[in-house]
Amino acid sequence: SQQGEEDPQALSIQEGENATMNCSYKTSINNLQWYRQNSGRGLVHLILIRSNEREKHSGRLRVTLDTSKKSSSLLITASRAADTASYFCATDEGGADGLTFGKGTHLIIQP
Amino acid sequence: KAGVTQTPRYLIKTRGQQVTLSCSPISGHRSVSWYQQTPGQGLQFLFEYFSETQRNKGNFPGRFSGRQFSNSRSEMNVSTLELGDSALYLCASSPDHSNQPQHFGDGTRLSIL
Repeated sequence: SQQGEEDPQALSIQEGENATMNCSYKTSINNLQWYRQNSGRGLVHLILIRSNEREKHSGRLRVTLDTSKKSSSLLITASRAADTASYFCATDEGGADGLTFGKGTHLIIQP
Repeated sequence: KAGVTQTPRYLIKTRGQQVTLSCSPISGHRSVSWYQQTPGQGLQFLFEYFSETQRNKGNFPGRFSGRQFSNSRSEMNVSTLELGDSALYLCASSPDHSNQPQHFGDGTRLSIL
């Protein structure tokens, strides 16, 4: 079953602009993770944020987590054409269901 | 360090056949998880193996099974294939699943005719 739901489903922006993707989930979590997937390839791990953390940065990526609202956001600053991909949030509930993924946001960066 | 390796990359089978997919995790990683990705259902968890034992299992029928060897390599098997089994099957490894990022392979694209 899907727990994380990304919003928007698709996003097209100009190179150099910032891209923001949101994720909502339903139950308590140990951590929330963001992954990127290029067409026909596997998933690449971007950031893991634990339930007791509110914000994490990695290069041009910034992730926030609001456990009271059960939501997270991924911000990509100064986007590049190479950022074109699908982005997924995944929740780890620490139970028996592995990671629970959302349907993803398809990001297109226009050169 | 070599990444997660999945073989084969592409596979075509017919209904009723069975298939075995292979996954070699990153050296030193003991947890291997399998996921099915389809356009309709998205990414769904199949099962996780740790130290040769199935630790977690998703909501898939018994036709889907797996195992892990002493070197942490894992295989998954699907018997009596159905058209709906057409998917990208992804394997992910981590040192020990809990609270850690997963490292994914490029997957096996399985097509059922």
